Amino acid sequence: DAKTTQPNSMESNEEEPVHLPCNHSTISGTDYIHWYRQLPSQGPEYVIHGLTSNVNNRMASLAIAEDRKSSTLILHRATLRDAAVYYCILRESGGTSYGKLTFGQGTILTVHP
Amino acid sequence: EAGVAQSPRYKIIEKRQSVAFWCNPISGHATLYWYQQILGQGPKLLIQFQNNGVVDDSQLPKDRFSAERLKGVDSTLKIQPAKLEDSAVYLCASSGDRYTYNEQFFGPGTRLTVL
Repeated sequence: DAKTTQPNSMESNEEEPVHLPCNHSTISGTDYIHWYRQLPSQGPEYVIHGLTSNVNNRMASLAIAEDRKSSTLILHRATLRDAAVYYCILRESGGTSYGKLTFGQGTILTVHP
Repeated sequence: EAGVAQSPRYKIIEKRQSVAFWCNPISGHATLYWYQQILGQGPKLLIQFQNNGVVDDSQLPKDRFSAERLKGVDSTLKIQPAKLEDSAVYLCASSGDRYTYNEQFFGPGTRLTVL
């Protein structure tokens, strides 16, 4: 399984932007980059995904490096509700592993009022 | 739209006892997943179903864990007999309708404590 590396924890202040980095130097050409987050006592929730181009949705933006060996999840204005564990995942495509997500340790994001 | 439903939400058993968890996925989702999440770790995939069939069960401890998905809808995950190290949150997820096939939708999980 392709691996990702994320900082164990990050802190932010409310209403400030947050940039969550992820390294995935062994990514293959067909791997999608997915981000999920898990709020306390809840199941993970999908945030965003991308393949090569930067992506935006109502929750966040995903910036993907040109060589695809790293990516950054951007929360434009952090709120207290964004405090969660953020997982960067390489989603395998094709074969019997299609759709499989392999979660790592993730980054614990703390948001200060 | 109703989300993924799981029951029970909490379960406490003694080691060597049996336990079963139930999952009802989002209507129309063909793919169903069971994950195990030990405290402080990310979720680990145990088994993946595509409709009725098993796609991946490579990390399912088959000597004690079993799962089924009858009629391609609801699913049950069973542990028999339970060990102390099975204490974890068991998460069910589903995906696969034509509009959101890139996303997995997770239920709230069942927290299992084995004493």
